[in-house]
Amino acid sequence: QVQLVESGGGVVQPGGSLRVSCTASGFIFSNYGMHWVRQAPGKGLEWVAFIRFDGSNKDYADSVKGRFTISRENSNNTLYFQMNSVRTEDTAVYYCARQDILTGAFDPWGQGTLVAVSS
Amino acid sequence: EIVLTQSPGTLSLSPGERATLSCRASQSVSSSYLTWYQQKPGQAPRLLIYGASNRATGIPDRFSGSGSGTDFTLTINRLEPEDFAVYYCQQYGRGFGQGTKLEIK
Repeated sequence: QVQLVESGGGVVQPGGSLRVSCTASGFIFSNYGMHWVRQAPGKGLEWVAFIRFDGSNKDYADSVKGRFTISRENSNNTLYFQMNSVRTEDTAVYYCARQDILTGAFDPWGQGTLVAVSS
Repeated sequence: EIVLTQSPGTLSLSPGERATLSCRASQSVSSSYLTWYQQKPGQAPRLLIYGASNRATGIPDRFSGSGSGTDFTLTINRLEPEDFAVYYCQQYGRGFGQGTKLEIK
Protein backbone atom coordinates (compact mmCIF):
# COMPACT_ATOMS: atom_id res chain seq x y z
CA GLN A 1 0.00 0.00 0.00
CA VAL A 2 0.97 3.63 -0.39
CA GLN A 3 3.01 4.56 2.65
CA LEU A 4 5.37 7.18 4.02
CA VAL A 5 7.57 6.50 7.03
CA GLU A 6 9.57 9.24 8.74
CA SER A 7 12.68 8.66 10.83
CA GLY A 8 15.54 10.55 12.39
CA GLY A 9 13.77 12.69 14.93
CA GLY A 10 15.18 13.26 18.40
CA VAL A 11 16.54 15.83 20.81
CA VAL A 12 18.92 18.48 19.49
CA GLN A 13 20.46 21.48 21.20
CA PRO A 14 19.69 25.02 20.08
CA GLY A 15 22.00 25.94 17.23
CA GLY A 16 22.54 22.30 16.35
CA SER A 17 21.66 20.22 13.30
CA LEU A 18 19.50 17.23 12.55
CA ARG A 19 18.37 15.43 9.42
CA VAL A 20 15.04 13.68 9.23
CA SER A 21 14.08 11.25 6.48
CA CYS A 22 10.91 10.00 4.86
CA THR A 23 10.89 6.69 3.04
CA ALA A 24 8.18 6.08 0.47
CA SER A 25 6.70 2.81 -0.73
CA GLY A 26 3.79 1.58 -2.79
CA PHE A 27 3.96 4.27 -5.47
CA ILE A 28 6.33 5.80 -8.02
CA PHE A 29 8.08 8.29 -5.75
CA SER A 30 9.81 10.10 -8.61
CA ASN A 31 6.44 11.19 -10.05
CA TYR A 32 5.32 13.27 -7.06
CA GLY A 33 6.07 16.56 -5.39
CA MET A 34 6.65 16.16 -1.68
CA HIS A 35 6.20 18.38 1.35
CA TRP A 36 7.21 18.73 4.96
CA VAL A 37 4.59 19.97 7.42
CA ARG A 38 5.20 20.47 11.12
CA GLN A 39 3.04 20.72 14.20
CA ALA A 40 4.31 22.25 17.42
CA PRO A 41 2.92 20.71 20.63
CA GLY A 42 -0.74 21.63 21.01
CA LYS A 43 -0.70 23.81 17.90
CA GLY A 44 -1.99 23.65 14.34
CA LEU A 45 -0.38 22.50 11.12
CA GLU A 46 2.37 24.61 9.58
CA TRP A 47 3.55 24.00 6.01
CA VAL A 48 7.35 24.34 5.88
CA ALA A 49 8.80 23.02 2.62
CA PHE A 50 8.12 21.64 -0.85
CA ILE A 51 10.24 19.89 -3.46
CA ARG A 52 9.24 19.22 -7.04
CA PHE A 53 9.12 15.62 -8.26
CA ASP A 54 12.54 15.91 -9.90
CA GLY A 55 14.11 18.11 -7.25
CA SER A 56 14.42 21.03 -9.65
CA ASN A 57 12.29 23.43 -7.60
CA LYS A 58 12.04 23.97 -3.87
CA ASP A 59 10.06 26.33 -1.70
CA TYR A 60 10.21 27.16 2.01
CA ALA A 61 8.20 28.91 4.64
CA ASP A 62 9.83 32.10 5.88
CA SER A 63 10.19 30.52 9.32
CA VAL A 64 12.76 28.00 8.06
CA LYS A 65 14.21 29.66 4.95
CA GLY A 66 17.98 29.79 4.99
CA ARG A 67 18.24 27.28 7.85
CA PHE A 68 16.49 24.15 6.58
CA THR A 69 16.97 22.30 3.27
CA ILE A 70 14.63 19.86 1.59
CA SER A 71 16.09 17.27 -0.77
CA ARG A 72 15.30 13.88 -2.25
CA GLU A 73 16.91 10.74 -3.61
CA ASN A 74 14.49 9.27 -6.13
CA SER A 75 16.71 6.22 -6.58
CA ASN A 76 16.14 5.38 -2.91
CA ASN A 77 12.54 6.62 -2.64
CA THR A 78 13.61 8.93 0.15
CA LEU A 79 12.86 12.52 1.10
CA TYR A 80 15.13 14.45 3.46
CA PHE A 81 14.92 17.54 5.63
CA GLN A 82 18.22 18.95 6.82
CA MET A 83 17.67 21.21 9.80
CA ASN A 84 20.51 23.58 10.74
CA SER A 85 20.74 26.34 13.33
CA VAL A 86 17.67 24.97 15.07
CA ARG A 87 15.74 27.03 17.57
CA THR A 88 13.45 26.09 20.43
CA GLU A 89 10.50 27.17 18.31
CA ASP A 90 11.37 24.44 15.79
CA THR A 91 10.23 21.84 18.31
CA ALA A 92 7.44 19.94 16.56
CA VAL A 93 6.28 16.74 14.98
CA TYR A 94 7.49 16.77 11.40
CA TYR A 95 5.30 15.07 8.81
CA CYS A 96 6.13 14.29 5.21
CA ALA A 97 3.28 14.24 2.73
CA ARG A 98 2.79 13.45 -0.93
CA GLN A 99 1.03 16.01 -3.08
CA ASP A 100 -1.57 14.77 -5.53
CA ILE A 101 -0.67 15.78 -9.05
CA LEU A 102 -4.15 16.90 -10.06
CA THR A 103 -5.75 18.20 -6.89
CA GLY A 104 -2.82 19.48 -4.89
CA ALA A 105 -4.12 17.63 -1.85
CA PHE A 106 -1.71 16.00 0.60
CA ASP A 107 -2.27 12.27 0.67
CA PRO A 108 -0.92 10.22 2.27
CA TRP A 109 0.92 11.59 5.26
CA GLY A 110 3.60 9.86 7.24
CA GLN A 111 3.12 9.12 10.92
CA GLY A 112 5.43 11.97 11.91
CA THR A 113 8.72 12.22 13.74
CA LEU A 114 9.27 14.39 16.82
CA VAL A 115 12.08 16.90 16.85
CA ALA A 116 12.70 18.48 20.25
CA VAL A 117 15.08 21.42 20.50
CA SER A 118 16.31 21.71 24.05
CA SER A 119 19.51 22.34 25.98
CA GLU B 1 0.13 35.18 0.63
CA ILE B 2 -3.35 33.82 1.09
CA VAL B 3 -4.46 33.48 4.72
CA LEU B 4 -7.16 30.99 5.65
CA THR B 5 -9.30 31.72 8.70
CA GLN B 6 -11.42 28.96 10.16
CA SER B 7 -14.42 29.42 12.41
CA PRO B 8 -15.44 28.64 14.98
CA GLY B 9 -12.28 27.76 16.87
CA THR B 10 -14.16 25.16 18.86
CA LEU B 11 -17.55 23.63 18.13
CA SER B 12 -19.37 21.66 20.82
CA LEU B 13 -22.07 19.33 19.55
CA SER B 14 -23.70 16.02 20.41
CA PRO B 15 -23.63 12.80 18.37
CA GLY B 16 -26.38 12.83 15.78
CA GLU B 17 -26.25 16.59 15.28
CA ARG B 18 -24.96 18.45 12.22
CA ALA B 19 -21.65 20.31 12.23
CA THR B 20 -20.94 23.28 9.99
CA LEU B 21 -17.31 24.42 9.79
CA SER B 22 -16.20 27.52 7.92
CA CYS B 23 -12.99 28.38 6.08
CA ARG B 24 -12.57 31.91 4.77
CA ALA B 25 -9.71 32.99 2.50
CA SER B 26 -8.14 36.44 2.46
CA GLN B 27 -8.44 36.44 -1.34
CA SER B 28 -10.17 34.28 -3.90
CA VAL B 29 -9.02 30.66 -4.00
CA SER B 30 -9.59 28.20 -6.81
CA SER B 31 -12.17 25.67 -5.69
CA SER B 32 -10.11 23.02 -7.41
CA TYR B 33 -7.44 23.40 -4.78
CA LEU B 34 -9.33 23.82 -1.50
CA THR B 35 -8.78 20.83 0.75
CA TRP B 36 -10.05 19.66 4.13
CA TYR B 37 -8.23 17.34 6.55
CA GLN B 38 -9.24 15.59 9.76
CA GLN B 39 -6.77 15.03 12.59
CA LYS B 40 -7.37 12.95 15.68
CA PRO B 41 -5.13 13.14 18.78
CA GLY B 42 -1.80 11.41 18.27
CA GLN B 43 -2.45 10.77 14.60
CA ALA B 44 -1.34 12.28 11.33
CA PRO B 45 -3.86 14.35 9.40
CA ARG B 46 -6.11 12.47 7.00
CA LEU B 47 -7.43 13.77 3.68
CA LEU B 48 -11.20 14.30 3.80
CA ILE B 49 -12.25 16.57 0.97
CA TYR B 50 -10.37 17.79 -2.10
CA GLY B 51 -11.42 20.25 -4.78
CA ALA B 52 -13.72 21.87 -2.22
CA SER B 53 -16.44 19.24 -2.58
CA ASN B 54 -14.99 15.83 -3.49
CA ARG B 55 -14.77 13.17 -0.80
CA ALA B 56 -11.51 11.27 -0.61
CA THR B 57 -11.50 7.50 -0.87
CA GLY B 58 -13.22 5.84 2.07
CA ILE B 59 -14.75 9.01 3.50
CA PRO B 60 -18.40 8.51 4.52
CA ASP B 61 -21.06 10.47 2.68
CA ARG B 62 -22.10 12.29 5.86
CA PHE B 63 -19.08 14.52 5.11
CA SER B 64 -19.61 17.15 2.45
CA GLY B 65 -17.78 20.25 1.28
CA SER B 66 -19.01 23.31 -0.55
CA GLY B 67 -18.11 26.86 -1.39
CA SER B 68 -16.23 29.01 -3.83
CA GLY B 69 -14.21 32.19 -4.02
CA THR B 70 -13.33 33.09 -0.46
CA ASP B 71 -15.91 31.12 1.53
CA PHE B 72 -15.86 27.37 1.99
CA THR B 73 -17.80 25.04 4.28
CA LEU B 74 -17.33 21.54 5.62
CA THR B 75 -20.58 19.94 6.76
CA ILE B 76 -20.82 16.76 8.78
CA ASN B 77 -24.31 15.30 9.05
CA ARG B 78 -25.41 12.97 11.85
CA LEU B 79 -22.21 13.20 13.87
CA GLU B 80 -20.67 9.91 14.89
CA PRO B 81 -18.41 9.56 17.96
CA GLU B 82 -15.38 9.08 15.68
CA ASP B 83 -15.97 12.43 13.97
CA PHE B 84 -14.89 14.44 16.99
CA ALA B 85 -11.48 15.73 15.96
CA VAL B 86 -9.70 18.81 14.63
CA TYR B 87 -10.40 19.88 11.06
CA TYR B 88 -8.10 21.97 8.87
CA CYS B 89 -8.61 23.61 5.51
CA GLN B 90 -5.74 24.23 3.10
CA GLN B 91 -5.24 25.96 -0.22
CA TYR B 92 -3.08 24.39 -2.90
CA GLY B 93 -0.22 22.73 -1.14
CA ARG B 94 0.63 25.59 1.16
CA GLY B 95 -0.97 27.39 4.07
CA PHE B 96 -3.43 25.80 6.46
CA GLY B 97 -6.21 27.36 8.44
CA GLN B 98 -5.71 27.38 12.19
CA GLY B 99 -8.16 24.52 12.65
CA THR B 100 -11.58 23.94 14.18
CA LYS B 101 -11.83 21.57 17.12
CA LEU B 102 -15.06 19.59 17.08
CA GLU B 103 -15.75 18.37 20.60
CA ILE B 104 -18.46 16.34 22.24
CA LYS B 105 -20.97 18.44 24.13
